[in-house]
Amino acid sequence: AQSVTQLGSHVSVSEGALVLLRCNYSSSVPPYLFWYVQYPNQGLQLLLKYTSAATLVKGINGFEAEFKKSETSFHLTKPSAHMSDAAEYFCAVSGGSNYKLTFGKGTLLTVNP
Amino acid sequence: DGGITQSPKYLFRKEGQNVTLSCEQNLNHDAMYWYRQDPGQGLRLIYYSQIVNDFQKGDIAEGYSVSREKKESFPLTVTSAQKNPTAFYLCATRDRANQETQYFGPGTRLLVL
Repeated sequence: AQSVTQLGSHVSVSEGALVLLRCNYSSSVPPYLFWYVQYPNQGLQLLLKYTSAATLVKGINGFEAEFKKSETSFHLTKPSAHMSDAAEYFCAVSGGSNYKLTFGKGTLLTVNP
Repeated sequence: DGGITQSPKYLFRKEGQNVTLSCEQNLNHDAMYWYRQDPGQGLRLIYYSQIVNDFQKGDIAEGYSVSREKKESFPLTVTSAQKNPTAFYLCATRDRANQETQYFGPGTRLLVL
């Protein structure tokens, strides 16, 4: 069985401030981990993924995430927030033969001018 | 233009009516998925198909049905047995050649009249 917990359903930052979105997971097999972003009334866009290569993963739009096995975490960061980063962010874990994705409940990021 | 298309963008259902959501892909991916998204709930898996003429129930399959007669198409029918169908429905494909990454369509919003 696998599960994802995203701490904080809503995070608010000022433009130019650090963005930190938290994700903890549980998985009975070595996981693949993903972060997706969703803008209103749109589908999900892949930001980045961890698939057992480098533990620090760089994605699009200046985002990165670090896989920490000992903490079962995969937190998403960006050094400087931009207004265009305002969206909902989902962390997901995949594992097993059918590669089903299990999602967290999402974190809504608000960026204040 | 490659990708995943979902139609219609908005769909209205009357009481007791079955409705079908379309998902088409030209990415040549074998596996396809249907998810339901409700506010604050993340995404939940309805059905998935790993190959043509085969599909499995996900976590919330009751009140839904699917078919997979062609590699390119994976339609979802919301039956009258689904008592709370109002949601955003997302179709995805999985790319085996890219670390099993799932890619999402733009979604269909289903509303009940």
